[in-house]
Amino acid sequence: EAQVTQNPRYLITVTGKKLTVTCSQNMNHEYMSWYRQDPGLGLRQIYYSMNVEVTDKGDVPEGYKVSRKEKRNFPLILESPSPNQTSLYFCASSLDPNQPQHFGDGTRLSIL
Amino acid sequence: QKEVEQNSGPLSVPEGAIASLNCTYSDRGSQSFFWYRQYSGKSPELIMSIYSNGDKEDGRFTAQLNKASQYVSLLIRDSQPSDSATYLCAVYSAASKLTFGTGTRLQVTL
Repeated sequence: EAQVTQNPRYLITVTGKKLTVTCSQNMNHEYMSWYRQDPGLGLRQIYYSMNVEVTDKGDVPEGYKVSRKEKRNFPLILESPSPNQTSLYFCASSLDPNQPQHFGDGTRLSIL
Repeated sequence: QKEVEQNSGPLSVPEGAIASLNCTYSDRGSQSFFWYRQYSGKSPELIMSIYSNGDKEDGRFTAQLNKASQYVSLLIRDSQPSDSATYLCAVYSAASKLTFGTGTRLQVTL
């Protein structure tokens, strides 16, 4: 089954404790991206990757890191999480950004 | 001006009626347009994509694109309670940027 898999689905943690949210897709997609969704603000892009080893900032990259060492994986790293990063996060992939995005099920992060 | 604008709603329509959702965008050179449906707490799922001016129909859904006026709309015919969700418009611009609107919440009443 074609899918984008995110882990964990839910996480409650504390300020400053490094965390990683994993994202993996099995569709051989080149383009992958991370979004956060907050009430009233919609989906905002954090980082995207056009292909392996190529990543770029989206609209709200501050406080986040990503890496794309292999095509299928695109982890989101919060080196020192803060409460303003409490949000619902989605990973998405597609053949290219001009094509429909396939979304993961989302990760709800709470930073205390 | 926001890059992609949608009325947040809620848009309330009775069961069986036509729901009309609208989206405007600022980049005149935008190439691709998408409508996603999102149920509360769930991930967005693609409803329609449209790339050229005119109408595109898929079952009860019709997407309409007017590049000259920079708007894209989604019509839902014979609205059902299961259509109650937030509808997100997404636009891929000439600047190679994919931007989502904040979404319109649709409520289909019995």
